[in-house]
Amino acid sequence: TQLLEQSPQFLSIQEGENLTVYCNSSSVFSSLQWYRQEPGEGPVLLVTVVTGGEVKKLKRLTFQFGDARKDSSLHITAAQPGDTGLYLCASGTYKYIFGTGTRLKVLA
Amino acid sequence: DADVTQTPRNRITKTGKRIMLECSQTKGHDRMYWYRQDPGLGLRLIYYSFDVKDINKGEISDGYSVSRQAQAKFSLSLESAIPNQTALYFCATSGSGRGTGELFFGEGSRLTVL
Repeated sequence: TQLLEQSPQFLSIQEGENLTVYCNSSSVFSSLQWYRQEPGEGPVLLVTVVTGGEVKKLKRLTFQFGDARKDSSLHITAAQPGDTGLYLCASGTYKYIFGTGTRLKVLA
Repeated sequence: DADVTQTPRNRITKTGKRIMLECSQTKGHDRMYWYRQDPGLGLRLIYYSFDVKDINKGEISDGYSVSRQAQAKFSLSLESAIPNQTALYFCATSGSGRGTGELFFGEGSRLTVL
């Protein structure tokens, strides 16, 4: 069974700082999704990466897929309080497995 | 109205009681999933269904059962609830096709077993 490990588990930063969170797998990803979950809500998809080495940008968020497709990172530039939430990576073809999540808090 | 609706949103029950969590969707998706979320453990897959006649166990199916009553409805049952089933439960859907599809989640059902 594929295992997805995310780090760090918790992150508390000041508004305006940059941060990177990571998702690593015990085996090759078929594809990799990043979700954000806010309190009281279900996760919402941010991005899907498919090709090794792929980089995708979503405003201040940059997603990178490792060349060997066994790791991925999410970089946030100039974090804002609205970025606060639980960031989850997920992988699978038809059955999606989730990582343990990184809980981010951005302080104003 | 939400595309994926879960009921109840909150439930407190006692050990040994039977509990059903219901999920309905208006997205027209074939695939439906039940996940459980615990602090520090992320989301873990309980059961999934690719159509009305297809039910599959996930990572942690013991103690749970499901029913796919229609394409739009997928319910999760705890036949005899126990305290370690206290968690936040999510239903999700996805479309058919190649497996990079997006999961659409409900707002969750918080279950507390005393």
